Amino acid sequence: QVHLQESGPGLVMPSGTLPLTCAVSGDSISGTNWWTWVRRTPGAGLEWIGEVYPSGSTNYNPSLEGRVTLSVDKSKNQFSLKLDSLTAADTAMYYCVRARSLHTNMGRANFFDYWGQGALVTVAS
Amino acid sequence: SYELTQPPSVSVSPGQTARITCSGDTLGNKYVSWYQQRPGQSPMVVIFQDDKRPSGIPGRFSASNSGDTATLTISGTQPMDEADYYCQAWDYNTGVFGTGTKVTVL
Repeated sequence: QVHLQESGPGLVMPSGTLPLTCAVSGDSISGTNWWTWVRRTPGAGLEWIGEVYPSGSTNYNPSLEGRVTLSVDKSKNQFSLKLDSLTAADTAMYYCVRARSLHTNMGRANFFDYWGQGALVTVAS
Repeated sequence: SYELTQPPSVSVSPGQTARITCSGDTLGNKYVSWYQQRPGQSPMVVIFQDDKRPSGIPGRFSASNSGDTATLTISGTQPMDEADYYCQAWDYNTGVFGTGTKVTVL
């Protein structure tokens, strides 16, 4: 069974940086899936933050590009998120997620099949 | 940027059918997946690749996608289906979630 577990600070200062790590068990991070971060802000819906492939290739949400960096650590079977220049609007539950890769002739069909339990992050002084 | 629009809420009586729509420009040309999020829990996929159910998802969940609209249908809705539901699609290599629909089973 695949298991993902987020870790990181629960409280961060405005204008600071949020570091989150996701430890993966039950699957190798070096496989063919994409490793993803999704957040849910209070009173709002889900927001896709970005994804990283084992090769280090990344795709980011344009609304966050410039502030977010994703990376993988194959030796530890984990991947990480770094979000800069934090504001109160970044207060959210952050989920790390496995995106199962599906290859089709009609574009991307990847879907999110395993989710972590979530890490609640509050941006406040 | 690409947007997916869902109704904020849907109410349904137990045993009846709930339909949740997801609208986006030429959405029928993209693959859609659907996620259920119960209060206090992480989201869970209930439909992927437009109409496929992962193992363990009950047969009362079905979906379709054509034109500008994808639809998730819950037949014989049960109280345990009360949750937030989100559609999701890809705009090239960017993931996009719908605005979300709260399903209330009255």
